Amino acid sequence: KAGVTQTPRYLIKTRGQQVTLSCSPISGHRSVSWYQQTPGQGLQFLFEYFSETQRNKGNFPGRFSGRQFSNSRSEMNVSTLELGDSALYLCASSLGSVVTGEYFGPGTRLLVL
Amino acid sequence: GENVEQHPSTLSVQEGDSAVIKCTYSDSASNYFPWYKQELGKGPQLIIDIRSNVGEKKDQRIAVTLNKTAKHFSLHITETQPEDSAVYFCAAIRNQAGTALIFGKGTTLSVSS
Repeated sequence: KAGVTQTPRYLIKTRGQQVTLSCSPISGHRSVSWYQQTPGQGLQFLFEYFSETQRNKGNFPGRFSGRQFSNSRSEMNVSTLELGDSALYLCASSLGSVVTGEYFGPGTRLLVL
Repeated sequence: GENVEQHPSTLSVQEGDSAVIKCTYSDSASNYFPWYKQELGKGPQLIIDIRSNVGEKKDQRIAVTLNKTAKHFSLHITETQPEDSAVYFCAAIRNQAGTALIFGKGTTLSVSS
């Protein structure tokens, strides 16, 4: 079974721009979560989508948003980029119907200049 | 909300020795505790997990123990090998519905041969 895939793997943007990241979950998984990883803050939960609905949300500003499509693929958008948004953005998928471990993709490395 | 503390932040062992990583959590309602291994340039990989109705779980050289009363859980790796060198994260589920992992800050394990 193919793992979680994320595109693109690397991105360079400038302050004020916006960016969209994409995630394809493991086949059959209906939950997709997004995490931000930085050296200072570690792994922080952004939000989770299940059956096209946001089910959980972390403590991030409204500039961070996401959505999920009917095929469970998910996108994350960050508007008005700030230097502090430079991070590894990880997508994880799980069945979603019961609480289980999540399976992570390789991440998208975003650098904001 | 949930808070997870992880110790130590770095751990160096000789090949063949055992390694122990400890985590404490604050929310007594948390009921699922996964452990992840992250190698350089990769996303976190689920290596073992434990639910709150179980005290101990073992998978070959890896074991996890949970003390609900004290609200702490530990990862034990026996007969360490150089390929065990990585960053290890503990996590706890904050919500009962859905997935919103709260991670510890991570432990960098170095196994020297």
